[in-house]
Amino acid sequence: SQQGEEDPQALSIQEGENATMNCSYKTSINNLQWYRQNSGRGLVHLILIRSNEREKHSGRLRVTLDTSKKSSSLLITASRAADTASYFCATALLQGAQKLVFGQGTRLTINP
Amino acid sequence: KAGVTQTPRYLIKTRGQQVTLSCSPISGHRSVSWYQQTPGQGLQFLFEYFSETQRNKGNFPGRFSGRQFSNSRSEMNVSTLELGDSALYLCASTSEPGPSEKLFFGSGTQLSVL
Repeated sequence: SQQGEEDPQALSIQEGENATMNCSYKTSINNLQWYRQNSGRGLVHLILIRSNEREKHSGRLRVTLDTSKKSSSLLITASRAADTASYFCATALLQGAQKLVFGQGTRLTINP
Repeated sequence: KAGVTQTPRYLIKTRGQQVTLSCSPISGHRSVSWYQQTPGQGLQFLFEYFSETQRNKGNFPGRFSGRQFSNSRSEMNVSTLELGDSALYLCASTSEPGPSEKLFFGSGTQLSVL
């Protein structure tokens, strides 16, 4: 089963509103990363948060990490039509193979 | 700096055939990973190569194989194609393998098996 589970699976909001996506995982992690994918294209790295960090910002993005709850959230503020994409969390496990394990993703639609 | 290049972009094959996909990493990157993406299973890790050696392998049958060349370019091969192999195959590169390395993805190869 997937290490990361994302919620909601789909989200539709109006341009200018904030969008929040959540990710839960099962085992201890080294770090958690968020990626964006435009339809049918490759993924683009957005932000990485390490297990000893609680919050990180990058432009209009804010990521939080709660290791006690094994969860993370991605907040996009003042959304734009260009933010329409799928967003994936990916966890780098503390133990085992050094590869990223991706969640199923949240499909975000920004309506003009 | 050129990004990760995957060829071909689209591919149509029939059941039983084999296919080879190519990936050229970002210049200077020596680690290449492959992922399969389908609507039902999401992104599934196939394998990772570093310095021509396979470092990690996902839970895929032996029909899926790969290799990496001395210039870090990588290929993956799928033999005896099945309908369920229809997917977007993504390649990603990093400078060095490790949990803190972010992945740079190519645009993928969309494989359709008829």
